[in-house]
Amino acid sequence: AQSVAQPEDQVNVAEGNPLTVKCTYSVSGNPYLFWYVQYPNRGLQFLLKYITGDNLVKGSYGFEAEFNKSQTSFHLKKPSALVSDSALYFCAVRGFTGGGNKLTFGTGTQLKVEL
Amino acid sequence: GAGVSQSPSNKVTEKGKDVELRCDPISGHTALYWYRQSLGQGLEFLIYFQGNSAPDKSGLPSDRFSAERTGGSVSTLTIQRTQQEDSAVYLCASSLAPAQGDTQYFGPGTRLTVL
Repeated sequence: AQSVAQPEDQVNVAEGNPLTVKCTYSVSGNPYLFWYVQYPNRGLQFLLKYITGDNLVKGSYGFEAEFNKSQTSFHLKKPSALVSDSALYFCAVRGFTGGGNKLTFGTGTQLKVEL
Repeated sequence: GAGVSQSPSNKVTEKGKDVELRCDPISGHTALYWYRQSLGQGLEFLIYFQGNSAPDKSGLPSDRFSAERTGGSVSTLTIQRTQQEDSAVYLCASSLAPAQGDTQYFGPGTRLTVL
């Protein structure tokens, strides 16, 4: 079975400071990892994904994530947070083998960026 | 280009009634997914369609739930004899192909409220 853990329900950061949203995963074989963002009353918006290759993945709106196989982590980062980044962030995993045809999501982390 | 669209955006129904939720995937996308987002359960996979293959129904919570995809495009999720625990946001997603690494793009969702 595949699973994702987002250990923080909420992350608070001051505008202009770097932000990190944590994600760890469990999957059989190689993982495909995704980050999505959800604004209030909206669907999920794709940010970035790791498939293979370079462990540092760059995505939309200045976000990036680092795949760490030994720590089974895929933390989302941004060097300088904006108030407009405030939203709900979901990490998701899909196994290369097994796990069926679905994404398995974490419980989400609410990011709050304050002035 | 146009993204995934869903209708209605909101649906309020009485317990015991049947409801139909519609999803229009991105043109050319062969894979279509339904997920449910609720406070208690987070984001859960419901069903997956790929071309003319038999759908993966492994996530449907009960036999009151069914879905079809006509002509390899539009999909309808039907919930019969709705219960209050069916209240949730129903999200549809599509991807270009069913490969595990393909990005799933989500629609805005249908918020279902069962009174």
